[in-house]
Amino acid sequence: QVQLVQSGAEVKKPGASVKVSCKASGYTFTAYYMHWVRQAPGQGLEWMGWINPISGDTDCAQKFQGWVTMTRDTSSSTVYMELSKLTSDDTAVYYCAREVLTGYKAFDIWGQGTVVTVSS
Amino acid sequence: EIVLTQSPGTLSLSPGEGATLSCRASQSVSGNFLAWYQQKPGQAPRLLIYGASSRATGIPDKFSGSGSGTDFTLTISRLEPADFAVYYCQHYGGSPPYTFGQGTKLEIK
Repeated sequence: QVQLVQSGAEVKKPGASVKVSCKASGYTFTAYYMHWVRQAPGQGLEWMGWINPISGDTDCAQKFQGWVTMTRDTSSSTVYMELSKLTSDDTAVYYCAREVLTGYKAFDIWGQGTVVTVSS
Repeated sequence: EIVLTQSPGTLSLSPGEGATLSCRASQSVSGNFLAWYQQKPGQAPRLLIYGASSRATGIPDKFSGSGSGTDFTLTISRLEPADFAVYYCQHYGGSPPYTFGQGTKLEIK
């Protein structure tokens, strides 16, 4: 079945980096953008950015420019999101979510989420 | 950046009643690319509606979306216990960032 499986929970110290993976299965990997969305404890959803799986092109929200890196490995149908210079404000659940390249059908499948805790 | 404002913040209703949730955009949403998601505690969001009014795969017709431009509505009929959750609207497909509203919590009265 169609699913996105994310890597496990991470605990990081302030100033460190974290890399979260999202492995797609059950569909044509190159037919869907992959977005990253995060949710701080008790808060709402925040869109971070997306990657085009064909070209590798990325775009992200202005607040994340310069410190979030999104990459993909088409051979393993996996996308990665790396966040650097972590602070306690980056403690959140990080989700990947797919969107079809054509058709404008929003984010129809989501990963299970990866909890990232930033603490000294 | 489009700012989405959802109202009310919390909606208290009883099972069997109908719910009306609002999402207002700070500027017109391109192509009416407005989505609604349901999120339950400890779970990832679930897509309900895309394109303002199209139901996602497997979503029952008790969920319906309407609106255009800057004003959008999610209507849920005949509330069941499983429907009590937090609902988010989101604009997508046009120029990023693809912002979300702050959410409406639908709780049992």
